[in-house]
Amino acid sequence: EIVLTQSPATLSLSPGERATLSCRASQSVSSYLAWYQQKPGQAPRLLIYDASNRATGIPARFSGSGSGTDFTLTISSLEPEDFAVYYCQQRSNWPTFGQGTKLEIK
Amino acid sequence: EVQLVESGGGLVQPGGSLRLSCAASGFTFSSYWMHWVRQAPGKGLVWVSRINSDGSSTSYADSVKGRFTISRDNAKNTLYLQMNSLRAEDTAVYYCARQYYAFLADYWGQGTLVTVSS
Repeated sequence: EIVLTQSPATLSLSPGERATLSCRASQSVSSYLAWYQQKPGQAPRLLIYDASNRATGIPARFSGSGSGTDFTLTISSLEPEDFAVYYCQQRSNWPTFGQGTKLEIK
Repeated sequence: EVQLVESGGGLVQPGGSLRLSCAASGFTFSSYWMHWVRQAPGKGLVWVSRINSDGSSTSYADSVKGRFTISRDNAKNTLYLQMNSLRAEDTAVYYCARQYYAFLADYWGQGTLVTVSS
């Protein structure tokens, strides 16, 4: 099983700031890495797939980068609605998720 | 508009069974692979199972293999998850999801809570 480790566990920032979230895989997943956003009581929402492709309807302030074992999700300027939990997910083989990064308002 | 609506969750005793349903609308259900993903209370996401578009091929996480069965009825636009020999660790919100690419889900339902407890 491929283990995904996300850091930090919690990120405290203010609206307008830049957020950088990391995801590290225990072995190479090529570019088969996705990012999801989840708000309390809601289902996950696909943001980024295959490391750097924005899903339909996702604002341009969300971007992804990386390949192999190290990946980054960047939110260029935080909006109030961006405060949520973010999960990375690999689909190189049986899919697994990271444990999540909680992005909270400072 | 794509909609996925899960039902069938509830409280069940250890060793019991439950069948979840996911009603799909707003897209050609028979053309898409479908998945079940679960989330234990306050925990992360775990992929449970997937089924191809005509129901002829299925896959399962090791933790549920031999106990859970995924199926679909394309005439009824409905996805199912039959869960047998339930354990406390199966307690979770179960989401159905539509596949975008292999093991990549673009639309999710709101989930149904399964609680396994005596």
